[in-house]
Amino acid sequence: GQNIDQPTEMTATEGAIVQINCTYQTSGFNGLFWYQQHAGEAPTFLSYNVLDGLEEKGRFSSFLSRSKGYSYLLLKELQMKDSASYLCAVSRITGGGNKLTFGTGTQLKVEL
Amino acid sequence: IAGITQAPTSQILAAGRRMTLRCTQDMRHNAMYWYRQDLGLGLRLIHYSNTAGTTGKGEVPDGYSVSRANTDDFPLTLASAVPSQTSVYFCASTSNGGIQYFGAGTRLSVL
Repeated sequence: GQNIDQPTEMTATEGAIVQINCTYQTSGFNGLFWYQQHAGEAPTFLSYNVLDGLEEKGRFSSFLSRSKGYSYLLLKELQMKDSASYLCAVSRITGGGNKLTFGTGTQLKVEL
Repeated sequence: IAGITQAPTSQILAAGRRMTLRCTQDMRHNAMYWYRQDLGLGLRLIHYSNTAGTTGKGEVPDGYSVSRANTDDFPLTLASAVPSQTSVYFCASTSNGGIQYFGAGTRLSVL
């Protein structure tokens, strides 16, 4: 089976940097996605890592270590609008094709 | 505007009733998925379809059925709704196993 762990909640200050960690155990690993989900809305794609290392996209960066089963999402220059749930999702190749398994999400609250 | 459309946006349903949630995408994506999202449990895969004409079971398929008659449409049917099926349902699609794009969701309450 698969196991994905991420913190339930985090709080950070506007303008600061926050790192959201995700650890996973899976077979057939085919990449790791991060999604952002505001309350009452659909998840939206943030980043994708398939190789080890850091992927940077504006204020958001994501890191992957396949050997350690570990990823993090780094948010810089936090803004109030970054208050949302951040979902870590592992992509696996299965007999039924490519599948995503989601963690339960990290609720980030950005405060003044 | 290209994307995924889900209907209805929300629904209150009596237990035992049949309900079909609709999902349509215009991005010509080959694969489509249905998830349910419950507090504390995250998104869980119900059913999926890798191409038109094929479907498969996900993590929580019991009580649900799907069909994929064409590329664009992927309806989810609850044959006889039960209160435990109260949830938010999201449809998603992807091209060749890449980024999954989600619809706005359907909030279903089964009483």
